[in-house]
Amino acid sequence: DTGVSQNPRHKITKRGQNVTFRCDPISEHNRLYWYRQTLGQGPEFLTYFQNEAQLEKSRLLSDRFSAERPKGSFSTLEIQRTEQGDSAMYLCASSLGQPTDTQYFGPGTRLTVL
Amino acid sequence: AQSVTQLGSHVSVSEGALVLLRCNYSSSVPPYLFWYVQYPNQGLQLLLKYTTGATLVKGINGFEAEFNKSQTSFHLRKPSVHISDTAEYFCAVSDRSQGNLIFGKGTKLSVKP
Repeated sequence: DTGVSQNPRHKITKRGQNVTFRCDPISEHNRLYWYRQTLGQGPEFLTYFQNEAQLEKSRLLSDRFSAERPKGSFSTLEIQRTEQGDSAMYLCASSLGQPTDTQYFGPGTRLTVL
Repeated sequence: AQSVTQLGSHVSVSEGALVLLRCNYSSSVPPYLFWYVQYPNQGLQLLLKYTTGATLVKGINGFEAEFNKSQTSFHLRKPSVHISDTAEYFCAVSDRSQGNLIFGKGTKLSVKP
């Protein structure tokens, strides 16, 4: 069990550019969650997958955001036409598959939009 | 809609003291409740959770929390803190069907020697 990994750990981009983050969950975890955390705030839910199916999306997830989980393994989160307000820590978590199961968090990807 | 309120964004105590971190939630039905800890430059780690059964829940590192339905609270406490407990603590709730977590804003705990 190597834990949840996220890449890259840091990303600096210019406004208007597209960025993509990757999350590798703990193997055999069926659920995968994406959260966003800004300074002084707790993490905010963005979206989650049960295997390859995206089951829920937050209103925070604008049309510029898209997430995929092909084959129910790793997941990617893409932000198109980045804005300065997108600067945040993007967290990924995985769990076995029930709402009561513990979510294990990755170290996060810190995005800075200049 | 569910929400979580953590009273006190910063708490400072001396090593060996009792610490109580407060968490109140708003939910139309009893949710599942969690406390996570984030040590400096590390990811979130589960301290403890309440899903059903006994209302007093014991977690890692000597922490415990009590679910109080009438008060809609899930306060976290530790009888005697160590300097190594310096971290940010987040209370979270989830509904019984979806599982996504709704977090409070966090409480930063500083333990002084």
